[in-house]
Amino acid sequence: GDSVTQMEGPVTLSEEAFLTINCTYTATGYPSLFWYVQYPGEGLQLLLKATKADDKGSNKGFEATYRKETTSFHLEKGSVQVSDSAVYFCALSDRGYGQNFVFGPGTRLSVLP
Amino acid sequence: GAVVSQHPSWVICKSGTSVKIECRSLDFQATTMFWYRQFPKQSLMLMATSNEGSKATYEQGVEKDKFLINHASLTLSTLTVTSAHPEDSSFYICSARDQGLGTEAFFGQGTRLTVV
Repeated sequence: GDSVTQMEGPVTLSEEAFLTINCTYTATGYPSLFWYVQYPGEGLQLLLKATKADDKGSNKGFEATYRKETTSFHLEKGSVQVSDSAVYFCALSDRGYGQNFVFGPGTRLSVLP
Repeated sequence: GAVVSQHPSWVICKSGTSVKIECRSLDFQATTMFWYRQFPKQSLMLMATSNEGSKATYEQGVEKDKFLINHASLTLSTLTVTSAHPEDSSFYICSARDQGLGTEAFFGQGTRLTVV
């Protein structure tokens, strides 16, 4: 079945450092790819998404490019802030309506001032 | 974007009692809603898929008699944890998809259940 693999955390960075969180997937079809963020004690919020190969999703300084050839969707940010401390989930979803999401294990990011 | 409201955001209950969690899509109709469970420092695990007007589809290993799901309308799904035990303590999150917005799903804020 479909699956998502993320780099193991936790990741600890200093403010203004460069962030990369690796994500690779396995899917039988052509899924849409997502990054969700979960702040402490809260639910999931969509950070960015890409629906087809070579699409780049971006939001709040975060970017990720849908790479079909490497089945990857790595999350990057050029300069992290303390407020970016959260858990980040990579996820995929089949395009058909009603299909659920498959989530990666999540990567906890801590940004120190 | 669309809003999914989950209630309550946290609840403490005694062992043996039942707890109901509501998931509402506020500004769109959701034919399908999903219920997830998240253990501390772990990812979300799909428990069941809730379809309006029909029985929910449970994932393998999820006890349907313990986790009762009702999707009575296009904007409301409920999860009832029956005869709760401490091991049921967890973070429960629902999501709903709006067909008109494509593949994006919207998540509720989650419910933290503590069974004492």
